[in-house]
Amino acid sequence: NAGVTQTPKFQVLKTGQSMTLQCAQDMNHEYMSWYRQDPGMGLRLIHYSVGAGITDQGEVPNGYNVSRSTTEDFPLRLLSAAPSQTSVYFCASSTSDATTNEKLFFGSGTQLSVL
Amino acid sequence: GQNIDQPTEMTATEGAIVQINCTYQTSGFNGLFWYQQHAGEAPTFLSYNVLDGLEEKGRFSSFLSRSKGYSYLLLKELQMKDSASYLCAVFTGGGNKLTFGTGTQLKVEL
Repeated sequence: NAGVTQTPKFQVLKTGQSMTLQCAQDMNHEYMSWYRQDPGMGLRLIHYSVGAGITDQGEVPNGYNVSRSTTEDFPLRLLSAAPSQTSVYFCASSTSDATTNEKLFFGSGTQLSVL
Repeated sequence: GQNIDQPTEMTATEGAIVQINCTYQTSGFNGLFWYQQHAGEAPTFLSYNVLDGLEEKGRFSSFLSRSKGYSYLLLKELQMKDSASYLCAVFTGGGNKLTFGTGTQLKVEL
């Protein structure tokens, strides 16, 4: 059982380059989200999706795009990388947006450096 | 706005008990989570509180007071493997909207 799979684990980009971080889950979760984690800042929500075909912005969406064409996949696109986007990125999923104990399952993370 | 406060660092001795506090001021509250994160790894779920009181799960317990905007995570019989960052997160609404604190780095010493 793979859970949440993120690729790549490490990436170095030059300023202005574009790239896509891949995220896939095999748990049939409706909810998927992307967070970035920076020292002293905690995890911050970039974009999220409540189901296939539906996406919305989180706290820090600028410079990122997402799409959700299938339940399984939720890629994060950096349109024109900037040094401020150097961070560790986590994809997460959960079964539903309920008031019950619907915890997030996190992928293993992508460490991105923009030079 | 959302504000979640935790101590930045704590140190404790193997075998002891440690309490990690979290205070929050958020627009909306639908529950509070605690996650553990070892260096270089993804966060993993520890506990969830939505009602006031104490939830116990083995060596870990979590307490919530909604009226005070306060929670704590209690770790008993500390082990070296408990050295990690502990993240407090408040569920504020729809769409996986978890707002995280900056985390408390716990170091367990011999």
